[in-house]
Amino acid sequence: KQEVTQIPAALSVPEGENLVLNCSFTDSAIYNLQWFRQDPGKGLTSLLLIQSSQREQTSGRLNASLDKSSGRSTLYIAASQPGDSATYLCAVFVNSNQFYFGTGTSLTVIP
Amino acid sequence: DAGVTQSPTHLIKTRGQHVTLRCSPISGHKSVSWYQQVLGQGPQFIFQYYEKEERGRGNFPDRFSARQFPNYSSELNVNALLLGDSALYLCASSSSLRQGAWTEAFFGQGTRLTVV
Repeated sequence: KQEVTQIPAALSVPEGENLVLNCSFTDSAIYNLQWFRQDPGKGLTSLLLIQSSQREQTSGRLNASLDKSSGRSTLYIAASQPGDSATYLCAVFVNSNQFYFGTGTSLTVIP
Repeated sequence: DAGVTQSPTHLIKTRGQHVTLRCSPISGHKSVSWYQQVLGQGPQFIFQYYEKEERGRGNFPDRFSARQFPNYSSELNVNALLLGDSALYLCASSSSLRQGAWTEAFFGQGTRLTVV
């Protein structure tokens, strides 16, 4: 069974700092990996989608990489802002037509 | 265009009752999936429907059921509610069968169910 782990569980950084969130998965047989943002008590907002054949994707200050063979992905956030404070979830999509999610990294950006 | 819409946003039920949650996918999307998110955990897969047929089922008891209508909207039903069913229920829509495989999956804001 696929297991997704996110490290660290929580992170607090000063505004303006660059940061990296980590995601690892146990089974490399994935279709893609998607990063989501979740604000407290809210739904999920899609940030980046990386297909299994791709190595990275960029959107604005966000860059996500994927190393399928080693079962790892990173989300890089440049020049962090207080508005980036949220929980970040990574999810892998597999053959059984479902996402497996990590438990998330709770990010706090201090003004 | 409207995103994925879920109703109601909040719901309080008593143990043993039945509940129905509703989801309208993005216009043109034919695939709908349901996820349960318990506080502090990542979402867990419950069901996927595509073209009104069940295409995937997670490890949930038979008290959980769902269906998809001709307009691609969907209902999630939970019978004989338990305290442990208290969670945020999320609906996701996508344009393809392999939801999220080659296209993005988009999630709604969820329904917060509290069982007392």
